[in-house]
Amino acid sequence: DQQVKQNSPSLSVQEGRISILNCDYTNSMFDYFLWYKKYPAEGPTFLISISSIKDKNEDGRFTVFLNKSAKHLSLHIVPSQPGDSAVYFCAATNAGGTSYGKLTFGQGTILTVHP
Amino acid sequence: DTGVSQDPRHKITKRGQNVTFRCDPISEHNRLYWYRQTLGQGPEFLTYFQNEAQLEKSRLLSDRFSAERPKGSFSTLEIQRTEQGDSAMYLCASSLVDFNTEAFFGQGTRLTVV
Repeated sequence: DQQVKQNSPSLSVQEGRISILNCDYTNSMFDYFLWYKKYPAEGPTFLISISSIKDKNEDGRFTVFLNKSAKHLSLHIVPSQPGDSAVYFCAATNAGGTSYGKLTFGQGTILTVHP
Repeated sequence: DTGVSQDPRHKITKRGQNVTFRCDPISEHNRLYWYRQTLGQGPEFLTYFQNEAQLEKSRLLSDRFSAERPKGSFSTLEIQRTEQGDSAMYLCASSLVDFNTEAFFGQGTRLTVV
């Protein structure tokens, strides 16, 4: 069962515009969410996170929004840059449980930012 | 470089052979995780350690897989009698035992079973 889903396999945007990547989850025990970015031949790199006690977290050009009632989160990148082109993974964990830190990942979304 | 280090980066092996991968975490991190990633999918959790104790194993981890972290520092993942379905990227990550701390990933070991 896919507990974390990224339904868009790919997204293409123009440089300078907004990129919006979406993620849905089904497990109501998840209370901490993370976004990772992955370039080819490298491991995932942490980007930004959000706790379920918040509905928004911002870090520079990156903002993550969480809608707990809809079990949905999104990552906004503004403005998008060609260097942002990568695979983006949404991940979730139960930070309040004994297995906090064990991440459940979505399938990933390939973002391409065109100059 | 003080990041997570994995060795080897690539491994090609014949079906039925045993393989072993090594992971060196960030030195002060006491949690270490192994994940497996296949093409078009996100990483899937395999197992994790807190110091030298293996605290959880996924049902994905068949009896042919074993992981150790003997002194609470580096870890090894061994696959016995490899099968073609074991071909994947094996990722190691480490973190502190602390609420809301992110895991740092290594570059992975790509295994190809022929």
